[in-house]
Amino acid sequence: DVKVTQSSRYLVKRTGEKVFLECVQDMDHENMFWYRQDPGLGLRLIYFSYDVKMKEKGDIPEGYSVSREKKERFSLILESASTNQTSMYLCASSLDSSGNTIYFGEGSWLTVV
Amino acid sequence: DAKTTQPNSMESNEEEPVHLPCNHSTISGTDYIHWYRQLPSQGPEYVIHGLTSNVNNRMASLAIAEDRKSSTLILHRATLRDAAVYYCILRRRTNAGKSTFGDGTTLTVKP
Repeated sequence: DVKVTQSSRYLVKRTGEKVFLECVQDMDHENMFWYRQDPGLGLRLIYFSYDVKMKEKGDIPEGYSVSREKKERFSLILESASTNQTSMYLCASSLDSSGNTIYFGEGSWLTVV
Repeated sequence: DAKTTQPNSMESNEEEPVHLPCNHSTISGTDYIHWYRQLPSQGPEYVIHGLTSNVNNRMASLAIAEDRKSSTLILHRATLRDAAVYYCILRRRTNAGKSTFGDGTTLTVKP
């Protein structure tokens, strides 16, 4: 089975801290994604990556950056966390074809205080 | 990006069929239609996908309109465990990576 693993399920960080959310997939997928989910707002795409060191902005990239140094790992970085970034963050991966399934991790609940 | 439109919420009785609609009027010829569902406190999971023909799997059926501008996810006998948010998305052949989810349909199943 494909597995997408997010390093932390629950985090509490202080305003201004630098935050790293790590994601690893074990099926050699080209595409990896970071989504944010807030109550009543569905899933919103922050960034996605289609290859190592390649990235594209999604719908809400402001305040975030990403890193993909290895194919299996995709990191989401909050350079200076703010309270409005309190949310659930979902990592996902897929093969690079429209007919292929997207596999999601369990999610990381980030609270910024 | 092509957008999909779904009702915000639907209700069903347990053990009855459920038809969840999705409109995607700007679909292009090579877009796949995917459905995912999200149970409470979990990440979304794959349900089914198709291109032009109707599709069946162990979880559900997908009925695609002849003009492909709409589709319907069919749960043949809803159970309480089917209560979830259901998302319909399009995956483009080009730039397939940028898959945008809408707000989905919250399905409530009543015993």
